[in-house]
Amino acid sequence: DIQMTQSPSSVSASVGDRVTITCRASQGINTWLVWYQQKPGQAPKLLIYNASSLRSGVPSRFSGSGSGTDFTLTISSLQPEDFAIYYCQQANGLFGGGTKVDIK
Amino acid sequence: EVQLVDSGGGSVQSGGSLTVSCAASGFAFGTSWMSWVRQAPGKGPEWVATIKPDGSEKYYVDSVKGRFAISRDNAKNSMFLQMNSLRIEDTAVYYCATGGIWGQGTMVTVSS
Repeated sequence: DIQMTQSPSSVSASVGDRVTITCRASQGINTWLVWYQQKPGQAPKLLIYNASSLRSGVPSRFSGSGSGTDFTLTISSLQPEDFAIYYCQQANGLFGGGTKVDIK
Repeated sequence: EVQLVDSGGGSVQSGGSLTVSCAASGFAFGTSWMSWVRQAPGKGPEWVATIKPDGSEKYYVDSVKGRFAISRDNAKNSMFLQMNSLRIEDTAVYYCATGGIWGQGTMVTVSS
């Protein structure tokens, strides 16, 4: 199985900060990568698909990039509602370990 | 309305069996790759299995191979996960999912 490694596992940030999360695949997966946001008690919510395509309705401060083995999720200006856990997933495959974004 | 509804969870003893179901509506189920994802309490989501639209290909995480079976009935817009030889570590909320659409989840508890 292809393994997905996320970093950092947690990040403390302030409203307005730029936050970048990295996901690395153990083998090349082209752009078959998605990013989710999860808040307590809720199912994960899709943010980005095909590594860089923003799902309809997701704020434009979220962006994704990368291909092959290295990917990033960037939140350009962190908002209060963005404090959550973020997961990458190989499309129809394994998830990364998650990155918790909390308030500094 | 685009919707996935999970059902069939419950409590079972270790070594037992259970089948969870997913009912789809509001989108082209018959042409959609479908997956099961589970999430144990306090843990991150874990991909479990995926099935091709026509059911001809199925993929599983290593920890469930030989014990779980994913299937679908396109005529009834439904998907299933048959779980055998259940272990305590299979305890989780089980979600069906396709792309950005997730069910509400159904809880499976395996006890000794």
